Amino acid sequence: ETGVTQTPRHLVMGMTNKKSLKCEQHLGHNAMYWYKQSAKKPLELMFVYNFKEQTENNSVPSRFSPECPNSSHLFLHLHTLQPEDSALYLCASSQVGQNTEAFFGQGTRLTVV
Amino acid sequence: DQQVKQNSPSLSVQEGRISILNCDYTNSMFDYFLWYKKYPAEGPTFLISISSIKDKNEDGRFTVFLNKSAKHLSLHIVPSQPGDSAVYFCAALRSSNTGKLIFGQGTTLQVKP
Repeated sequence: ETGVTQTPRHLVMGMTNKKSLKCEQHLGHNAMYWYKQSAKKPLELMFVYNFKEQTENNSVPSRFSPECPNSSHLFLHLHTLQPEDSALYLCASSQVGQNTEAFFGQGTRLTVV
Repeated sequence: DQQVKQNSPSLSVQEGRISILNCDYTNSMFDYFLWYKKYPAEGPTFLISISSIKDKNEDGRFTVFLNKSAKHLSLHIVPSQPGDSAVYFCAALRSSNTGKLIFGQGTTLQVKP
């Protein structure tokens, strides 16, 4: 079983739809993250959850709503998205307090039509 | 303001030769640096890291050099192999700051047989 699992791998949604992205980590880490990767841009940090508490919201529009019910699961709820929100959404986890790398899931390729 | 920059969007190298990928940062508070490798449609995978107390870290064919006074780091791959062809992201971290990684734009490496 991989360390960080994201579902679905691909998602096509209309601008009026509501959908959720799911992330699960099996590494016992205490922090989880959502990143967005658009074409030709660096990975952009969206949200940070540290011990289930949201510690950072990087000026993300309210049409993206994260949820972290426990330290192993992270969701990103999507509603009334725009076509420019089409991107690869990556979940990651790490052990904060140690100099260790973040582990990434394979991402969800989102297309908003 | 982009705190981590990879100014070369692409690099092409012949198999067996050295690949050198460069990264610059602006925030002197960063104390841990990482390189990630990413294939299309997959999440980034960790490659190698270096703490700010060191100036070199080596792992097999991969070596990362850190020049703190110049706020510059580089990744050397030698010898380069066609399987190394991917996008390479440099990332920086303030270990006291919730573990969030700040990424560069990435450099696409192509290793030609």
